[in-house]
Amino acid sequence: GDSVTQMEGPVTLSEEAFLTINCTYTATGYPSLFWYVQYPGEGLQLLLKATKADDKGSNKGFEATYRKETTSFHLEKGSVQVSDSAVYFCAFYNNDMRFGAGTRLTVKP
Amino acid sequence: GAGVSQSPSNKVTEKGKDVELRCDPISGHTALYWYRQSLGQGLEFLIYFQGNSAPDKSGLPSDRFSAERTGGSVSTLTIQRTQQEDSAVYLCASVGQAHPGYGYTFGSGTRLTVV
Repeated sequence: GDSVTQMEGPVTLSEEAFLTINCTYTATGYPSLFWYVQYPGEGLQLLLKATKADDKGSNKGFEATYRKETTSFHLEKGSVQVSDSAVYFCAFYNNDMRFGAGTRLTVKP
Repeated sequence: GAGVSQSPSNKVTEKGKDVELRCDPISGHTALYWYRQSLGQGLEFLIYFQGNSAPDKSGLPSDRFSAERTGGSVSTLTIQRTQQEDSAVYLCASVGQAHPGYGYTFGSGTRLTVV
């Protein structure tokens, strides 16, 4: 069945380090892909999205490219900040929304 | 309103008591979802309302859980005879007609603690 698999955390990085959080999906058809972010004590917020193959979603320095050939949507940021510390959820929509288990990122000064 | 509003933001209840959690979706959004997020876990789907259709209750973990959506707007999630394993953050999301391309808008959640 449809599912999302994302890199397990927690991930701990130093400020200005490069970030990659892997996400792959299993789905029929052409789902829309999303990354959500949950800052401490808050609900989920849409971070970025891509709705078709080869689209690149970007926001706040984060990027992810819709790779249909590898069914992946890996999240990247070139230089993380302490304020990026949060839980990141990969998700796709294909008749309904499926979420990954979340990856907790901690960025240390 | 401008966003999805959930109340209360925090709820502490004694084991065995009933609780009601409220969600005010974005005005005009036709779809509404409830999710549960247990400590350190991902999002667990609970129930989905779409317009006037019968809700999809397939994610409700037991018959102690129920939800309704009045007038196609406000939704209430009720947990009867709460148990300690019900402790979690309960998240509500609403979706406008423009989805699936535009994602969900989540509320800040209700943190339920059963003692």
